[in-house]
Amino acid sequence: NAGVTQTPKFRILKIGQSMTLQCTQDMNHNYMYWYRQDPGMGLKLIYYSVGAGITDKGEVPNGYNVSRSTTEDFPLRLELAAPSQTSVYFCASSSTGGRTGELFFGEGSRLTVL
Amino acid sequence: DAKTTQPNSMESNEEEPVHLPCNHSTISGTDYIHWYRQLPSQGPEYVIHGLTSNVNNRMASLAIAEDRKSSTLILHRATLRDAAVYYCILRDSNGNQFYFGTGTSLTVIP
Repeated sequence: NAGVTQTPKFRILKIGQSMTLQCTQDMNHNYMYWYRQDPGMGLKLIYYSVGAGITDKGEVPNGYNVSRSTTEDFPLRLELAAPSQTSVYFCASSSTGGRTGELFFGEGSRLTVL
Repeated sequence: DAKTTQPNSMESNEEEPVHLPCNHSTISGTDYIHWYRQLPSQGPEYVIHGLTSNVNNRMASLAIAEDRKSSTLILHRATLRDAAVYYCILRDSNGNQFYFGTGTSLTVIP
């Protein structure tokens, strides 16, 4: 199993450009998450999904959009990129929600907005 | 949502035990305590979780205080590969959101 796969690994954007970060998991997990991690900081939740067709906002959703049309894929869309969105983005999945589910993370996508 | 407090950094000598503390004084009765670690340039990985009783697995042990207001992650013999940032997280009753703080950066000295 590949687990959680994120693409691209690195990307440089100009201010105002848009892009989509891709996330795919092959573990048939219902729960998927997007986090961002700024230098020297912990992870902050952007959006999450509890199943296909269902998404919800996390701590820092402004400037981002998500969709969940299939169980496997959970893309993160950045509209009108800003320097404040320079960060490392991590996608994660879990087989269960609730209080005991283990999160599986991808390797991250490093985004720089200039 | 209940928050956790961890020291910013700790050091340990290689092959010695490491005790990583976490305070969570506002924990609710149904919150689970989770630990994750993040190796350099990688995504976080699961270490262990528990509710009330102490827990052991192949990676570590989790000791939970009787009042549940604090917990300790124990690495029995630190290796250089254990150098990472360790996050203590509470999984709330909603269960759909993990809140990561800044964690404890563990340095292992050869």
